[in-house]
Amino acid sequence: DQQVKQNSPSLSVQEGRISILNCDYTNSMFDYFLWYKKYPAEGPTFLISISSIKDKNEDGRFTVFLNKSAKHLSLHIVPSQPGDSAVYFCAAHTPPTNAGKSTFGDGTTLTVKP
Amino acid sequence: NAGVTQTPKFQVLKTGQSMTLQCAQDMNHNSMYWYRQDPGMGLRLIYYSASEGTTDKGEVPNGYNVSRLNKREFSLRLESAAPSQTSVYFCASSESPWGANSPLHFGNGTRLTVT
Repeated sequence: DQQVKQNSPSLSVQEGRISILNCDYTNSMFDYFLWYKKYPAEGPTFLISISSIKDKNEDGRFTVFLNKSAKHLSLHIVPSQPGDSAVYFCAAHTPPTNAGKSTFGDGTTLTVKP
Repeated sequence: NAGVTQTPKFQVLKTGQSMTLQCAQDMNHNSMYWYRQDPGMGLRLIYYSASEGTTDKGEVPNGYNVSRLNKREFSLRLESAAPSQTSVYFCASSESPWGANSPLHFGNGTRLTVT
């Protein structure tokens, strides 16, 4: 039972356009959602997060949207740059008061073409 | 400003051999974690330490043991390596476990092959 799903293994966009990465979840106890970015031969690095009480969080070119009723999360990158080419992981936390854990999706490989 | 440091970067073991993966963080974080990543999959939690002096099992603990040596260091031991343990292992740390505004900081991984 995969509680966090990234249904698109890969995405290719043109430089300057918008990249939209999607994530679906099933566990309504998740209270915090995060996106991590991973380059080859490196560890994941934290990108942006959102609390379950919000529906949008923005940081520069990166915006995360949360639709709780649909249990859907998306990451928008505008404008996309070649340096954004990486694997993006969606992750969700359950709080320590509810057997805390962090669950990761399988990742989406983003390729931004110059 | 090293962050999370893992050693070794690469390792090849024969079935049945043992080894310890080392991890140290210099961010004064309370919580530390060990994950494994298999090809095409997300990260799966092996063990974690919410605070110094405590350790708990994650999703896939079988075949592994851990030691939280002090606040900085968290090691992962494979007592008798099996081919199914071929994977990339990531250590991570955070200020608090699963907390809001407490993202994980990862090391660069150890690539382990068991033949």
